[in-house]
Amino acid sequence: AQSVTQPDIHITVSEGASLELRCNYSYGATPYLFWYVQSPGQGLQLLLKYFSGDTLVQGIKGFEAEFKRSQSSFNLRKPSVHWSDAAEYFCAVEGLQAGTALIFGKGTTLSVSS
Amino acid sequence: KAGVTQTPRYLIKTRGQQVTLSCSPISGHRSVSWYQQTPGQGLQFLFEYFSETQRNKGNFPGRFSGRQFSNSRSEMNVSTLELGDSALYLCASSSGRNTGELFFGEGSRLTVL
Repeated sequence: AQSVTQPDIHITVSEGASLELRCNYSYGATPYLFWYVQSPGQGLQLLLKYFSGDTLVQGIKGFEAEFKRSQSSFNLRKPSVHWSDAAEYFCAVEGLQAGTALIFGKGTTLSVSS
Repeated sequence: KAGVTQTPRYLIKTRGQQVTLSCSPISGHRSVSWYQQTPGQGLQFLFEYFSETQRNKGNFPGRFSGRQFSNSRSEMNVSTLELGDSALYLCASSSGRNTGELFFGEGSRLTVL
């Protein structure tokens, strides 16, 4: 069965420091992978997606992610974190069934310290 | 372009009651998906509708149902509410292509007492 694991429940990063959020997936074929962000009281916003091609994908707000098939990983990175990046981040993989169902990880909460 | 609109944003119900939540997708989008978000289980897929037909269904009991209208607006219904149904219910719309991006609404927060 497909699944997504985000090993870190909560991460605290200093403002201006770099960030890496981990995501591992289990999938039987080439996955479609996504990172979403959720601010308190808000819905989810797509940061970036990987379908095929270049394994390093760029997203909005200065985020990037690298797909590594050998490690079944799709880690999210940002070189310099801003206080406004504090939010919950979700990694997701598109399910094998027809339609657009996504399977989400449990999320990582990012806190930014000054 | 207006985003995904969910109503109501907040509601409180008691056990045994039923509830109907509404979702208006982005204009032109034909697919509407519903997700349940809880602190313990995270985000779980409920079902997806495309052109008024349920295209995909998650692993939830039959108390959870939905429908989509000809204008792509969707409703989900939960009958015989249980305490464990307390959650944020998120609606997402997309063009309907399998690799499409999902656009989420802000959710309807249901509290069951």
